[in-house]
Amino acid sequence: AIQLTQSPSSLSASVGDRVTITCRASQGISSALAWYQQKPGKAPKLLIYDASSLESGVPSRFSGSGSGTDFTLTISSLQPEDFATYYCQQFNNYLGGFTFGPGTKVDIK
Amino acid sequence: QVQLQESGPGLVKPSETLSLTCAVSGYSISSGYYWGWIRQPPGKGLEWIGSIYHSGSTYYNPSLKSRVTISVDTSKNQFSLKLSSVTAADTAVYYCARVGGDYGSGSYNFDYWGQGTLVTVSS
Repeated sequence: AIQLTQSPSSLSASVGDRVTITCRASQGISSALAWYQQKPGKAPKLLIYDASSLESGVPSRFSGSGSGTDFTLTISSLQPEDFATYYCQQFNNYLGGFTFGPGTKVDIK
Repeated sequence: QVQLQESGPGLVKPSETLSLTCAVSGYSISSGYYWGWIRQPPGKGLEWIGSIYHSGSTYYNPSLKSRVTISVDTSKNQFSLKLSSVTAADTAVYYCARVGGDYGSGSYNFDYWGQGTLVTVSS
């Protein structure tokens, strides 16, 4: 199966900060990567698909980039409602199906 | 607006079978898309369990495949999960979700989610 790793596992940031989270795949996955935001007690919410496409209704301060094995999620100016855990996810039909990264928790500095 | 709602027992005994149902509203399962189950142990990350197409075609996580059965009932617009021989390690919040994305390129994601239901495995 394709493994996803995320760094950092957690970070502390202030409102207005630029935040970057990295996701690395154990094998190349082209641009087939999605990012989710999860708040405590809630279901994950799709933010980015195809590595860089913004899901409808998601604020433009969120952006994604990368292809192959290295991907990033960037929040250009962190807002109070952005404190949450972020997960990356990929799908490979031949290598285990869907996998998620271990998550990156973003909390208040 | 597509909505999903999980239902089922919140407590299951070890060695028994966990059974959950996901009712879909706002979209007919018969119209297409894969539909899936994902779980999250308390304080931990997300794990995909398996997915099903309206035709009944299934795809399971290899690590759970021997214990998982996912089925669909298009007449009730719902799909179901059965996980057999459960242990405490199966205690988790179970989510159902729609598999969205580009079916042509195989770039899939989960675009609509249920609220999740906590299932505890304990005697």
